[in-house]
Amino acid sequence: AQSVTQPDIHITVSEGASLELRCNYSYGATPYLFWYVQSPGQGLQLLLKYFSGDTLVQGIKGFEAEFKRSQSSFNLRKPSVHWSDAAEYFCAVGPSGGYNKLIFGAGTRLAVHP
Amino acid sequence: GAVVSQHPSWVICKSGTSVKIECRSLDFQATTMFWYRQFPKQSLMLMATSNEGSKATYEQGVEKDKFLINHASLTLSTLTVTSAHPEDSSFYICSATSGLAKNIQYFGAGTRLSVL
Repeated sequence: AQSVTQPDIHITVSEGASLELRCNYSYGATPYLFWYVQSPGQGLQLLLKYFSGDTLVQGIKGFEAEFKRSQSSFNLRKPSVHWSDAAEYFCAVGPSGGYNKLIFGAGTRLAVHP
Repeated sequence: GAVVSQHPSWVICKSGTSVKIECRSLDFQATTMFWYRQFPKQSLMLMATSNEGSKATYEQGVEKDKFLINHASLTLSTLTVTSAHPEDSSFYICSATSGLAKNIQYFGAGTRLSVL
């Protein structure tokens, strides 16, 4: 079955600390991979995506993610977290070459302490 | 670029009434639009996929007569919650893809529906 697992429901970090949000997926073939961020009461904003090529992808707001095929993972990282990064983060997978049915993880809520 | 506008952002209605939510792509032509439902502190659940000029494809378990979707143009899709009941209260989010970047979904800001 196709699924996305975000093991950490809630993470708290101090401002300026590094961050890693985990994402594992189960998919029949190599999917397209996405990270989205959602602020309270808002829609989702695309942070970054992986389709093919370099397995380390850079996104907006200083985020990056690394695709590891052997581990079926696509973890999101940021070297220094800002208070404005507090939000809900969703990992999603979709069929390569297609454009429908993204499967979302349950999300990780990030809190940032001053 | 790639802005999706959703309206209204919040609606309160009485039980039994119908509510229409609009999703517009402002600066691109949306060949495909998606409607999601999100319960508090949960992930997004895909309700249906709509292509311009075609009938929407609903996910299993989603009542198509309850949630009417119309994608009449390349920039507008609407979701109508018919005869709304309190259990329909939720956060509804639309997204859209274009023919040029069909693998990327751009999301609206969502609509919070409260049915009294």
